[in-house]
Amino acid sequence: AQSVTQPDIHITVSEGASLELRCNYSYGATPYLFWYVQSPGQGLQLLLKYFSGDTLVQGIKGFEAEFKRSQSSFNLRKPSVHWSDAAEYFCAVAIVTGGGNKLTFGTGTQLKVEL
Amino acid sequence: DTGVSQDPRHKITKRGQNVTFRCDPISEHNRLYWYRQTLGQGPEFLTYFQNEAQLEKSRLLSDRFSAERPKGSFSTLEIQRTEQGDSAMYLCASSPGLAGGSETQYFGPGTRLLVL
Repeated sequence: AQSVTQPDIHITVSEGASLELRCNYSYGATPYLFWYVQSPGQGLQLLLKYFSGDTLVQGIKGFEAEFKRSQSSFNLRKPSVHWSDAAEYFCAVAIVTGGGNKLTFGTGTQLKVEL
Repeated sequence: DTGVSQDPRHKITKRGQNVTFRCDPISEHNRLYWYRQTLGQGPEFLTYFQNEAQLEKSRLLSDRFSAERPKGSFSTLEIQRTEQGDSAMYLCASSPGLAGGSETQYFGPGTRLLVL
């Protein structure tokens, strides 16, 4: 069965430092991969997605992610973190079903930014 | 494009009561999804609609749960005889309905349910 693993439950970085959030997936077919961000008490906002093509994808707010098929990974990166980036980050893989695609999420990584 | 909206944003109820949540998708999105998110976890798929047809339901959706999308626009999720284990954030998402699955789901702000 498909699954997504985010090995880091909590990460703390200093403002201005670089960031990498890890995501590993298990899925038998070509995956559709997503990163979403969730602020406290809010819904999910899409940061970026990978469907096909260039394995390095750019997203909003200066985030990027790289799809590595050999490692079954889709890690999220940002070169310089801002205090407003503090939130919970979820990686997800889409399972195509009956025409729709249901998302399987990881358990999330809570990012804290120290000023 | 006003985004996905959900109502209410918060609901507190007593065990055994029935509750109903509403989701209004982005206009002209023909797919609508419901997810449940418990504390410290990622969202889990519950069910989805293509227009008014409910095409898949998760094992998580017990017989106390029912979802409808009567006219292919807004959707409701009802929980009957609520239990404390139903306490969670209920998220709705919609998507345009592109073929092949390479499409994005846009999420609403969620309804947070607390069952006392």
